[in-house]
Amino acid sequence: SQTIHQWPATLVQPVGSPLSLECTVEGTSNPNLYWYRQAAGRGLQLLFYSVGIGQISSEVPQNLSASRPQDRQFILSSKKLLLSDSGFYLCAWSEYNRGSYEQYFGPGTRLTVT
Amino acid sequence: RKEVEQDPGPFNVPEGATVAFNCTYSNSASQSFFWYRQDCRKEPKLLMSVYSSGNEDGRFTAQLNRASQYISLLIRDSKLSDSATYLCVVIRGGYNFNKFYFGSGTKLNVKP
Repeated sequence: SQTIHQWPATLVQPVGSPLSLECTVEGTSNPNLYWYRQAAGRGLQLLFYSVGIGQISSEVPQNLSASRPQDRQFILSSKKLLLSDSGFYLCAWSEYNRGSYEQYFGPGTRLTVT
Repeated sequence: RKEVEQDPGPFNVPEGATVAFNCTYSNSASQSFFWYRQDCRKEPKLLMSVYSSGNEDGRFTAQLNRASQYISLLIRDSKLSDSATYLCVVIRGGYNFNKFYFGSGTKLNVKP
């Protein structure tokens, strides 16, 4: 069965510091991968998605970037964090199942920028 | 206009009640539809797919109305454990990629 891992689970970082969040998927090959952010009490905002190694599409302009160095690895980075980067960061993968794509989320990383 | 709109609630219902949520979507080209459940401070989890013919999973019934572009979720005999935020999701995409559009969620509180 497929599993998705994210780490760390929680993170407190000062403004201006760098960020690296990692996500790995097991039990599937060539998945579509996604990074979302959820601000407190808000909906999910799609940040990046990837259909393959080295292929990254950005949804919103911001100081974040993403990379996919391996098929099942997706990394979210920032060179300098802003206060507004605080939130719940979720990695997800999708697969085609029963005539439609379904999406599954990792446990998330709760980031607080101070 | 938002892709997916939901009433944020909260819906406060007693145990055993029947409760229904609706959500509307703006793009008629949307292809697939789902309900997800999100517990407080946790990741969203797939609850069920939504088909035009309607589908049922135990106490949960989902319905899609393509003509009016809305999706519904009915929960019968509510349990305390049903308390969560319910996210409506629509999918649109091309050959090898589908984009998921999430509503902001409807919060349900089931009271004893």
